[in-house]
Amino acid sequence: GENVEQHPSTLSVQEGDSAVIKCTYSDSASNYFPWYKQELGKGPQLIIDIRSNVGEKKDQRIAVTLNKTAKHFSLHITETQPEDSAVYFCAASWGNSNYQLIWGAGTKLIIKP
Amino acid sequence: NAGVTQTPKFRVLKTGQSMTLLCAQDMNHEYMYWYRQDPGMGLRLIHYSVGEGTTAKGEVPDGYNVSRLKKQNFLLGLESAAPSQTSVYFCASKGQGYNEQFFGPGTRLTVL
Repeated sequence: GENVEQHPSTLSVQEGDSAVIKCTYSDSASNYFPWYKQELGKGPQLIIDIRSNVGEKKDQRIAVTLNKTAKHFSLHITETQPEDSAVYFCAASWGNSNYQLIWGAGTKLIIKP
Repeated sequence: NAGVTQTPKFRVLKTGQSMTLLCAQDMNHEYMYWYRQDPGMGLRLIHYSVGEGTTAKGEVPDGYNVSRLKKQNFLLGLESAAPSQTSVYFCASKGQGYNEQFFGPGTRLTVL
């Protein structure tokens, strides 16, 4: 079955700097890759996603890149702000199913003032 | 719209006790999911439903049962709780033809 690995588990960056979180997946049939943000005490919330027919997608300060050959995708956050502090999860659709996701273990992002 | 709501928010059980977690959504979504979240392990799918009256097993279904008698509700049952079921449980829903899953606020369950 699908397996998603996420690195690093914790990332600490200075406010204003960029942050990059990386994920690798195992099932070449996966075709949908979302990123969710989880703030303390809340459920995860979708922040950006990408389909396998697109190499990059951007939304203001956040972007996601996908390398299908290497089976990895990354979340990029530029000009980090205190409110970016949270746990970020990547996920991949399981096989040809776009309604089941396999999740990475999460990255705790800490923005230092 | 309330979105996805979960009841209760917190619960402490003794080993062997049973309980039901309730998830409700008011977005008319077809798909509903139950996940558990443990430190360092991300989200793991317990059971899911693709429509009213249907349920299916996810990655970690053992020790849990579910029912979806009404489209807006998805119930997760623990028949005989074990300490290994101590976790935070999240419910999510998704509309047909859409990708985004909407999550509830979670239920923190402790089994002593």
